Amino acid sequence: AQSVTQLDSQVPVFEEAPVELRCNYSSSVSVYLFWYVQYPNQGLQLLLKYLSGSTLVESINGFEAEFNKSQTSFHLRKPSVHISDTAEYFCAVESNTGKLIFGQGTTLQVKP
Amino acid sequence: DVKVTQSSRYLVKRTGEKVFLECVQDMDHENMFWYRQDPGLGLRLIYFSYDVKMKEKGDIPEGYSVSREKKERFSLILESASTNQTSMYLCASRVAAGGSPLHFGNGTRLTVT
Repeated sequence: AQSVTQLDSQVPVFEEAPVELRCNYSSSVSVYLFWYVQYPNQGLQLLLKYLSGSTLVESINGFEAEFNKSQTSFHLRKPSVHISDTAEYFCAVESNTGKLIFGQGTTLQVKP
Repeated sequence: DVKVTQSSRYLVKRTGEKVFLECVQDMDHENMFWYRQDPGLGLRLIYFSYDVKMKEKGDIPEGYSVSREKKERFSLILESASTNQTSMYLCASRVAAGGSPLHFGNGTRLTVT
């Protein structure tokens, strides 16, 4: 069965520091990859996605993620975080059957 | 904007009750999903539906059933609620399979006592 693993449950970081949230998935077939974000007391919303083409994808608020097929990873990075980035981040994979599976989530805590 | 509406924000039910969670989307999306969200476990897929009257089991369907009689509405049914079904339930929809993003409702926090 397909699975998604987010390697860190919590990532504390100081404001303006860089951050990486790790995501690995298990799949031997082509997939679509997503990062969703859930800000405190809000619903989940799409942050960015990889469908095909360039392996580096970006969001409008400075996050980027790189699809690495050989390592089956889709890590999320930001070179300089803000307090407002404090949220829970979920990696998700859509398999070729259309099923969408999420990871366990990573809580990003940005400290002043 | 796509709107996914879940009928209740908070719900408290007793053990053994039959519980209905309703979800409606207003964008003619083909696919609809039910997840439960628990701390440390992320989102786990209960059931999903590719189209009207179609349903597929997710990873944790035991104790749940679903109904999709109309395209815009996807109901989750707890046949006999148990305390281990206390959770946040999230409904989502998308245009179709093939990389289109999910649009989520605000969730229903169900407590079973």
